[in-house]
Amino acid sequence: DTEVTQTPKHLVMGMTNKKSLKCEQHMGHRAMYWYKQKAKKPPELMFVYSYEKLSINESVPSRFSPECPNSSLLNLHLHALQPEDSALYLCASSQDQFAGGQSGELFFGEGSRLTVL
Amino acid sequence: GENVEQHPSTLSVQEGDSAVIKCTYSDSASNYFPWYKQELGKRPQLIIDIRSNVGEKKDQRIAVTLNKTAKHFSLHITETQPEDSAVYFCAASHYNQGGKLIFGQGTELSVKP
Repeated sequence: DTEVTQTPKHLVMGMTNKKSLKCEQHMGHRAMYWYKQKAKKPPELMFVYSYEKLSINESVPSRFSPECPNSSLLNLHLHALQPEDSALYLCASSQDQFAGGQSGELFFGEGSRLTVL
Repeated sequence: GENVEQHPSTLSVQEGDSAVIKCTYSDSASNYFPWYKQELGKRPQLIIDIRSNVGEKKDQRIAVTLNKTAKHFSLHITETQPEDSAVYFCAASHYNQGGKLIFGQGTELSVKP
């Protein structure tokens, strides 16, 4: 199984809503990532979890709150978002945090397309 | 920090022609250079990668070359097909940056039948 599964695929929310994005992988990977991607732009790193601990936070606003309940699951909790937060949110995983160095590629999920009204 | 520049931003070729996309990086410590293909509405997928101890790598119709002295690397696609149409992203990383991938801005490749 080389899949990273994300739910929901599409999400529409108002600026006062609270919602969560979910990500799951069963490849035994110990690093998991959240990226944000605007149309035809490169993915922008938001957070990295390594061995279930937050390793990198790219100065993301606190309205985005990541959570890693176990080595297979990664959540992104959303609260009081702004319309400019509308984007494709990609989850990814790799064998360990040093993707590619010793541990092979970064596997992306299909993403959750978020629209904030 | 690392910066990756990618050119061209758009590329249109006829089916069967070759396509070349170029990237330059700023941090000489970078040692891993992957290329991702993202079709419309799909996830980015790794198509080929190269490490700094290798100058060239091929996989069927795609190849990547790395010039460490000049700090640039290129993706070559031969005998292009319509299904090669996608956005291609180069990236660079090194161990000391926590393996963080720094992406180029992307190249939208269009292969016309």
